[in-house]
Amino acid sequence: GENVEQHPSTLSVQEGDSAVIKCTYSDSASNYFPWYKQELGKGPQLIIDIRSNVGEKKDQRIAVTLNKTAKHFSLHITETQPEDSAVYFCAASTGDYKLSFGAGTTVTVRA
Amino acid sequence: NAGVTQTPKFRILKIGQSMTLQCTQDMNHNYMYWYRQDPGMGLKLIYYSVGAGITDKGEVPNGYNVSRSTTEDFPLRLELAAPSQTSVYFCASREGVNQPQHFGDGTRLSIL
Repeated sequence: GENVEQHPSTLSVQEGDSAVIKCTYSDSASNYFPWYKQELGKGPQLIIDIRSNVGEKKDQRIAVTLNKTAKHFSLHITETQPEDSAVYFCAASTGDYKLSFGAGTTVTVRA
Repeated sequence: NAGVTQTPKFRILKIGQSMTLQCTQDMNHNYMYWYRQDPGMGLKLIYYSVGAGITDKGEVPNGYNVSRSTTEDFPLRLELAAPSQTSVYFCASREGVNQPQHFGDGTRLSIL
């Protein structure tokens, strides 16, 4: 089955700096790549997703890039703010019913 | 529109007890999922359902059972609770393949 690896496991950034999280996937048939943000005591919430026919997608301070050849995709957060502190998960799907999740990245934004 | 609702939010069980974790969604989604999340780990799929009356095993189904008699509800049953089942359990639903999953806020379960 699909295997998703996520790096780094923890990330500390100064407020206003950028944060980058990278994920690699194993199944070249994967075609859907969502990113989730999980705040303490809450369930994961979708923040952005990308499909395999697109190389990059932006939504305000958040962007995701996809490199199908290298089988990796990345989340970029610019101008980080304290409310960006959370655990972020990447995931991949081959178009069947299931998502395979990375292990998560704990992001801390220092004031 | 409440989305995905899970009950209870917290529960402590003794070894060998049984319980049902409830999950209901009001978005008329066909696909529903149960995950467990252990500290510092990602989400592991326990069971999923693609519609009423249809369920299938995920990565870690042992010790759990599910049923799906209606589109809205997808309960998860623990028959003989074991310490290894101490975890946070999340239910999710989505409209279709390659559509976003919507998660509930989880049930925190401790087995002592």
